[in-house]
Amino acid sequence: GNSVTQMEGPVTLSEEAFLTINCTYTATGYPSLFWYVQYPGEGLQLLLKATKADDKGSNKGFEATYRKETTSFHLEKGSVQVSDSAVYFCAFTSSNTGKLIFGQGTTLQVKP
Amino acid sequence: DVKVTQSSRYLVKRTGEKVFLECVQDMDHENMFWYRQDPGLGLRLIYFSYDVKMKEKGDIPEGYSVSREKKERFSLILESASTNQTSMYLCASSRIQNRGQETQYFGPGTRLLVL
Repeated sequence: GNSVTQMEGPVTLSEEAFLTINCTYTATGYPSLFWYVQYPGEGLQLLLKATKADDKGSNKGFEATYRKETTSFHLEKGSVQVSDSAVYFCAFTSSNTGKLIFGQGTTLQVKP
Repeated sequence: DVKVTQSSRYLVKRTGEKVFLECVQDMDHENMFWYRQDPGLGLRLIYFSYDVKMKEKGDIPEGYSVSREKKERFSLILESASTNQTSMYLCASSRIQNRGQETQYFGPGTRLLVL
């Protein structure tokens, strides 16, 4: 069935380190892919998205590329900041239902 | 900016109580959703609605009901709260775009504790 697998957290990095959070999905059809971020005490907000194969979503220095051949959508950032500390959720929408399917979330802690 | 508001940030209720969680969006979105968020499980869809007075079950509807009498408001109802419904509840809304490409906009969440 439909599912999203993210790397387990927490991920702890020093400021200015390189970040990768892995995400793979199992879906039928051609889903759209999303990364949402949840800052402490807040709801989720869209970080970036990609709607077709080989698309690259980017925002606030974060990037992710829709890789259909490996069914992956890994999140990357070249230099993280303390303010990036949050929970990151990978998700996709099922093309036949339109519902969002979420991964379990990955907590990122960035230390100064 | 899209704004999705939820009636309470924190709520404490007793087992067996009827609980109402309210969600309001101000962007005239057709779609509205209720999720619960639990550690290690991500977000799970409880119910959603594509239009006024329309509702559809999500993945975990048991023990919940919903009401959408007005386009901007979507209520989640726990008919008889139980301790396993202690969770963070998140409301979201979205426009109708090409199917599957809608961005969902989330409220700040309601943390419910059932004693």
